Formats: sequence, structure tokens, C-alpha cells
Amino acid sequence: QLQESGPGLVKPSETLSLTCTVSGGSISSTSYYWGWIRQPPGKGLEWIATIHYSGSTSYNPSLKSRVFISVDTSKNQFSLKLSSVTAADTAVYYCARLAGFGELFFWGQGTLVTVSS
Amino acid sequence: QSALTQPPSASGSPGQSVTISCTGTSSDVGGYNYVSWYQQHPGKAPKLIIYEVTKRPSGVPDRFSGSKSDNTASLTVSGLQAEDEADYYCSSYAGSDRVVFGGGTKLTVL
Repeated sequence: QLQESGPGLVKPSETLSLTCTVSGGSISSTSYYWGWIRQPPGKGLEWIATIHYSGSTSYNPSLKSRVFISVDTSKNQFSLKLSSVTAADTAVYYCARLAGFGELFFWGQGTLVTVSS
Repeated sequence: QSALTQPPSASGSPGQSVTISCTGTSSDVGGYNYVSWYQQHPGKAPKLIIYEVTKRPSGVPDRFSGSKSDNTASLTVSGLQAEDEADYYCSSYAGSDRVVFGGGTKLTVL
């Protein structure tokens, strides 16, 4: 299972920080990758970033300058930081487990993050 | 990377078949056999229903099938049922561990 956690409200220009806790398996499995996806209200899915427990990362080019993904194997968690947020970053943020070529096999339930003053 | 192109809507009557297309480029859909499809009901997280173009995860009915030709992938839902009414998204591997999604298709069962 995957469970997102973090503030539901973030002020404009601040940094959005979310954590995904993985249970029922090890985040250190060589077979899996871990990622973040978001969905603005009423809109489609957008891939944000992917990380492997080894530290290898990949970012959506459109967000790369503002995004940082990290993994904490001791806590079986991975995290997302998105800086300089605006209202356009308001979305449901999902964490997910990916296979080696981007297939998102398991998803968290999602958490709504609203950017507003 | 640009989003993959899906029709915004599709529909069919119970028992009929409907096909949803997903068009990309040679850098994503056409370049890799790693197209996935997801079903999303309102207020729920997406669920993987097709991966590697044609494969179904355990528990997904065989009414769902996938295919690909050149830069276009397709999802076919056969024997439409009321519970198939949902949003459907395609995604593709785009190289260098990147993923690109389609804009989504709302499937209505008439």
C-alpha cells in the first residue's frame, strides 16, 4: 500500500512537500521505481517525477526546475518537493509504484493540495 | 514532452464494443512497446488495466484489450457494462525513465 501525507494548503510562492509511505513491501526492491503524478481538479493526469531506491531520478521537463524527489529507505518513504507554487499547482497528488518502463501498477489514494493565500 | 492525444469522449450501449485511441510520436508510443491504460472512476485513484500494449494485470476482465500500430495505441472495451463508465487514460514510456500521459477520454455507457 501507498499513502500520501502532507499539508493540504500551501501559500503561493512557497514549497509544497509531500511524503509517500510504502507498506507491505520494501522500497529498496531493485525491480520497482517510485513516482509522483498529479491531477488538477477536473483535468487529466500529469507525471511529475520518478525515483529508484538507488537514487536514480527522472523529472518531467516542464517541472524539472522546481521539483525534487528523494527516497528514505530507512523509513520506507519517498518524498516530493515542488517550489515556487502557484494556483496552477493545485491538484490531487498521487504517489505510485512503477515498473521499469513507466507502468504505474499501484497508486496511493491521492491527496488534494490547494495553493491559496 | 507533449501529452498524448486522446478523444475527449466516447460512448456505446451495453453489450457493444468501443475503441479509444491514443496518438503519440516515434519518441514515445511508436518507439516503445510500453503503452499502458488506466481506468479512473470519479473520486478514485486510477487503476492500471493494460500494460505493455496488450497485457492485463491479474483481475482485469478480458473484455479490455489493447493494441498498437505505429504511433497510435488503442484500447477496446468489449461487451460494455454500466460499470465501465469512467475516464480512461493512456500513458507511454518516453525514454530516460520519463512517462507521458494522454489527456483522457470520458467513456459513457448509454
